Amino acid sequence: GDSVTQMEGPVTLSEEAFLTINCTYTATGYPSLFWYVQYPGEGLQLLLKATKADDKGSNKGFEATYRKETTSFHLEKGSVQVSDSAVYFCALTTGFQKLVFGTGTRLLVSP
Amino acid sequence: NAGVTQTPKFRILKIGQSMTLQCTQDMNHNYMYWYRQDPGMGLKLIYYSVGAGITDKGEVPNGYNVSRSTTEDFPLRLELAAPSQTSVYFCASSYGTSGGWSSVGELFFGEGSRLTVL
Repeated sequence: GDSVTQMEGPVTLSEEAFLTINCTYTATGYPSLFWYVQYPGEGLQLLLKATKADDKGSNKGFEATYRKETTSFHLEKGSVQVSDSAVYFCALTTGFQKLVFGTGTRLLVSP
Repeated sequence: NAGVTQTPKFRILKIGQSMTLQCTQDMNHNYMYWYRQDPGMGLKLIYYSVGAGITDKGEVPNGYNVSRSTTEDFPLRLELAAPSQTSVYFCASSYGTSGGWSSVGELFFGEGSRLTVL
């Protein structure tokens, strides 16, 4: 079945450091790919998405490129802030009904 | 600007008790979902609904029931609570097919309900 694999956390960075969180996927068909973010005590929010190969999703300084050849959708940000501390989930769907999530990666950013 | 509202936020149950987690959305979304989140396990889909009167099982439906009598509400019922049901439960909604392909995968989540079964 469809699945998403994310790097284990926590990822600990200093403010203004470069961030990469790896995500790879396995899917039948042509999935759409997503990054969701969960701030402490809150539900998940959509951060960015890409619906076809080579698409780049971006939002709030975060970027991810849909790489079909490597089945990857790595999340990057050039300069993280303390306010970016959260749990980040990679996810995919091949239809409207179900979204398959990875296990999440906790990011901790210190001043 | 309520979005998806879940109640209660916290609940402690004894083994064998039953309860209902309430979920309501005011965005006129057709699709609604219940997920559970366990530490290190990501989110697992329990049940989902593509419209009033229609529900379907997700990955982990055992021990739960749902109903969808209106577009707005999607309650999740736990019968005979067990310690394995200790988790954080999230309700979510989306436009589904009515939003077109541009909205695929865009779920709106509630703040979660933390349930402990002792």
